[in-house]
Amino acid sequence: DTGVSQDPRHKITKRGQNVTFRCDPISEHNRLYWYRQTLGQGPEFLTYFQNEAQLEKSRLLSDRFSAERPKGSFSTLEIQRTEQGDSAMYLCASSLLPSKIEQFFGPGTRLTVL
Amino acid sequence: DAKTTQPNSMESNEEEPVHLPCNHSTISGTDYIHWYRQLPSQGPEYVIHGLTSNVNNRMASLAIAEDRKSSTLILHRATLRDAAVYYCILSNSGGSNYKLTFGKGTLLTVNP
Repeated sequence: DTGVSQDPRHKITKRGQNVTFRCDPISEHNRLYWYRQTLGQGPEFLTYFQNEAQLEKSRLLSDRFSAERPKGSFSTLEIQRTEQGDSAMYLCASSLLPSKIEQFFGPGTRLTVL
Repeated sequence: DAKTTQPNSMESNEEEPVHLPCNHSTISGTDYIHWYRQLPSQGPEYVIHGLTSNVNNRMASLAIAEDRKSSTLILHRATLRDAAVYYCILSNSGGSNYKLTFGKGTLLTVNP
């Protein structure tokens, strides 16, 4: 069990550029979540997958955001035409439902949009 | 989602017990009570969860009030490594999404 990994750990980009983040969940975890956390706040739910199916998206996930989990293993989160307000920590978590509901979080990707 | 209320901050001394309170007066019958913590510059870490009965694990204990409108996370002997933001969260099992709605949590400071 190597835990949830995220790549990159830090990303600095200019406004208007596209960025993509990757999350590798714990092996065989069927549920994968994305959250976003800004400074001084708790994480906010963005979306989640059950295997490869994206089952729920928060209204926070504007049209510029897209997430995929093509083979039910790793997931990517893409932000198009980044804005300064997108600067945040993007967290990924996985769990194994229905037997275990606890979520295991990765270290996050810190995005800074200049 | 049902809301939780926690103190903004608490302070403890090393090797003493810590009781972190959480109020959730609008909890529904299918809501689980979760506790996660977040150390500086890390992702949140699962601590414990429960539904109706008190729960114990290697990290902590969870005491749930009989009416389920409040709960307390108990760290039996605080260490410096327990200094973190502690989040009390409700998730509704009825919808089966189990997404977590974090508040601002309680910042726990542990004094040596």
